[in-house]
Amino acid sequence: DQQVKQNSPSLSVQEGRISILNCDYTNSMFDYFLWYKKYPAEGPTFLISISSIKDKNEDGRFTVFLNKSAKHLSLHIVPSQPGDSAVYFCAARGSGAAGNKLTFGGGTRVLVKP
Amino acid sequence: KAGVTQTPRYLIKTRGQQVTLSCSPISGHRSVSWYQQTPGQGLQFLFEYFSETQRNKGNFPGRFSGRQFSNSRSEMNVSTLELGDSALYLCASSLEGGRFEKLFFGSGTQLSVL
Repeated sequence: DQQVKQNSPSLSVQEGRISILNCDYTNSMFDYFLWYKKYPAEGPTFLISISSIKDKNEDGRFTVFLNKSAKHLSLHIVPSQPGDSAVYFCAARGSGAAGNKLTFGGGTRVLVKP
Repeated sequence: KAGVTQTPRYLIKTRGQQVTLSCSPISGHRSVSWYQQTPGQGLQFLFEYFSETQRNKGNFPGRFSGRQFSNSRSEMNVSTLELGDSALYLCASSLEGGRFEKLFFGSGTQLSVL
């Protein structure tokens, strides 16, 4: 049972335009969400996070939106740059468990065309 | 500050063998987690160690084990390797594994089982 889903396996966008990545979750105990970016042959790199008490968090070109009632979050990248081409993972952490157990989505491969 | 270091970078083993992977967390980080990444299953949580104790465990068979040393370095061991164990094994660290801490990942060990 996939508790975190990224339904779009890939996304292609023109340089300078907005990239919107979506993520859905089913576990209502999740209260902290993170986005990671991954290049081939490297480990994931943290991008941005949001706790369940907020509905938006912004950091430079990256904004994450959380809709708790819909159990949905999205990552907006504006403007998209060729260096943003990578695989993006959303991840969630539950409120009940101590420690670092993240549940990841399957990832969305983003290609930014110059 | 040095990042999370994983060794070896690549490993080739045959079925039935065992393997040990090593992870050195960021200096000062006491929580170390391990994840398995495969094309079909995405990133899956294996276990987390904090202060030399396993604090969380994912849904993997007992062939997967780990430990943490007093200097926070961690090893994971896979015994009786199967073809399906071929994957990228990622180690991540954080200060204490607190609920709102972000994880820093190493570049991973790519394990191929023949």
